[in-house]
Formats: sequence, C-alpha cells, structure tokens
Amino acid sequence: AQSVTQLDSHVSVSEGTPVLLRCNYSSSYSPSLFWYVQHPNKGLQLLLKYTSAATLVKGINGFEAEFKKSETSFHLTKPSAHMSDAAEYFCVVSDLAGGYNKLIFGAGTRLAVHP
Amino acid sequence: SAVISQKPSRDICQRGTSLTIQCQVDSQVTMMFWYRQQPGQSLTLIATANQGSEATYESGFVIDKFPISRPNLTFSTLTVSNMSPEDSSIYLCSVRGGDLYNSPLHFGNGTRLTVT
Repeated sequence: AQSVTQLDSHVSVSEGTPVLLRCNYSSSYSPSLFWYVQHPNKGLQLLLKYTSAATLVKGINGFEAEFKKSETSFHLTKPSAHMSDAAEYFCVVSDLAGGYNKLIFGAGTRLAVHP
Repeated sequence: SAVISQKPSRDICQRGTSLTIQCQVDSQVTMMFWYRQQPGQSLTLIATANQGSEATYESGFVIDKFPISRPNLTFSTLTVSNMSPEDSSIYLCSVRGGDLYNSPLHFGNGTRLTVT
C-alpha cells in the first residue's frame, strides 16, 4: 500500500539559510509525487510534481525536490529561505495501486522562518 | 489550471443540523474529490465523485453521513449530515483534469466548518 512519511513535524530556519523538508514514501509501483504548501487560512497550492521524468524537479518560488528511488525519498529544498515561506508543507504520493486517483498526504511539516 | 470555487467559505452550525457545501469548477472535469482536514491534521480523502454515478467513499466515511451529488461535469455538493463537534474541519473540493498520471490536484479554498 502506498504511504508517505514526513520526517519532521516542525522545521525552523533563519531567513536566508537553506531549507530541507524531508519526505519518504512507500509505493509498490512507479509513484507520482507532489509537494503542496498551505499558508495560514489559505488553500493548498502545488509547489512541484514528479511523474517519472527528470529526477530533479524544480517548482515555484525557488523550491526543488529530488526523487531518489534507491532511498524512496522526495525531499524538498530551497537554497535561501524567505519570511514568506513560513507555512505548512505536505508531501503527497499516488500510484497505480490507487489508479493514480487516490492521493495520500503526509502529516505535514510546519516551516517557521525567523529574521 | 482549473479554478475552483467553494461555498460557503466558513460556517458555524449547531449540532444535529446539516450543511451542504457547493463546489463549482470553471471547466469540465471527470472526477471531483472531497477531502477533510481536521484541526492541525493532514488531508484525508472522503470520496471520489464521478458525474452520472454514485460517489465512491473511502474507509471510515459513509454515504448517510456525507451524501454527495454530482449533477454535471462542473459542479458537486457535499453534505455533512447530523453534525457533531467532531465534524469541525476544513472541507476541500479538488479536481484532476486530463491525464490522471501527470495531473496534480487543484484545490478550492475550502469550507471551514465549526460545529457547536
């Protein structure tokens, strides 16, 4: 069965320093993987997606993620954090077992950015 | 990407009553999905709604509690019936268009429900 684990519930960084949000997945088939961001009292916005093309995926707002099949990981990174990056981030997986219809959300990582 | 409008954006309801949430999409989509986000939690899929057929519910969710309508390819409703405080959540409508494998989910802004 497909599943996704976000390894940190909270991450705190200083403005201008790198961001790393960790995600591991479990899937019996070739997965699709996504990162979404949810700002306080806002809807969910797609940051980036992996669907078996390039393993390094670039998204919006300077974020990128690398698909590593051997490590079953899809960590989200950004070279330099901005205050506006403070939000909740969700790693999401879907695969053939679910007909790619059912998306499984991780528990979320709350990113805090300090001046 | 699809533009999804949800109504109401928020509501406060008495226990035992029902609330119907509307979801309108600006383009025709095959599948619409309803998610629940309980306070401080991640998202859980409630059901998948296809036009012209009954919704498919996930484990732990039943039609009597969460009846869904899908009268056409741009509209769906989710009703939260006989509400209790445990139903206080954000309810989100989402769609995937085109090639399912490559299409991410697009979400409405959600309906924030508080049951007193």
